[in-house]
Amino acid sequence: DTGVSQDPRHKITKRGQNVTFRCDPISEHNRLYWYRQTLGQGPEFLTYFQNEAQLEKSRLLSDRFSAERPKGSFSTLEIQRTEQGDSAMYLCASSPRDGTWGYTFGSGTRLTVV
Amino acid sequence: GNSVTQMEGPVTLSEEAFLTINCTYTATGYPSLFWYVQYPGEGLQLLLKATKADDKGSNKGFEATYRKETTSFHLEKGSVQVSDSAVYFCALSMISNFGNEKLTFGTGTRLTIIP
Repeated sequence: DTGVSQDPRHKITKRGQNVTFRCDPISEHNRLYWYRQTLGQGPEFLTYFQNEAQLEKSRLLSDRFSAERPKGSFSTLEIQRTEQGDSAMYLCASSPRDGTWGYTFGSGTRLTVV
Repeated sequence: GNSVTQMEGPVTLSEEAFLTINCTYTATGYPSLFWYVQYPGEGLQLLLKATKADDKGSNKGFEATYRKETTSFHLEKGSVQVSDSAVYFCALSMISNFGNEKLTFGTGTRLTIIP
């Protein structure tokens, strides 16, 4: 297994466009997380999936944001009508079901809204 | 809510110097504590962790001790190398009823080691 994969690595979009990011977790991990990291800050939690169920969402996740994990494997994060304030690094992480700390982060998708 | 406060950067040291990066936390209950490292262009990597009071986490010459009485988890290394240059994040985690092990991070400390 090559770890957590995120695609694309970089995305530049115009304000008002929709964007979608993909995360492929480690295959045996049933828990999946999305975080957002702005410049000079630590990552902030956005949302959590256990298998295909989205169980927790941060208040940071406005109505323009939606995340899915349709078959409990890969996940997508969509941002509609992007704003300049959405420019950030979007990180995905996964962890196993067995309670050991196997939390693994992907390299992230850097979004720039112009 | 939970929060983490860590030493502002950037920090610049000479090779072989002693490193301390301070971290304190606020949490309801007893969190697990972590140090993550982020090298340029890479994702976050777990450096070390401690799950209960007085535990000492260690890895690659780095150490941190979970101090409940001072709510601290300071990162130390006796002799830094140029390859230690990175951004270091202190974080805590408390598992929710849904099994959510979400992490709460500090703002990060950029460390630069000069030869």
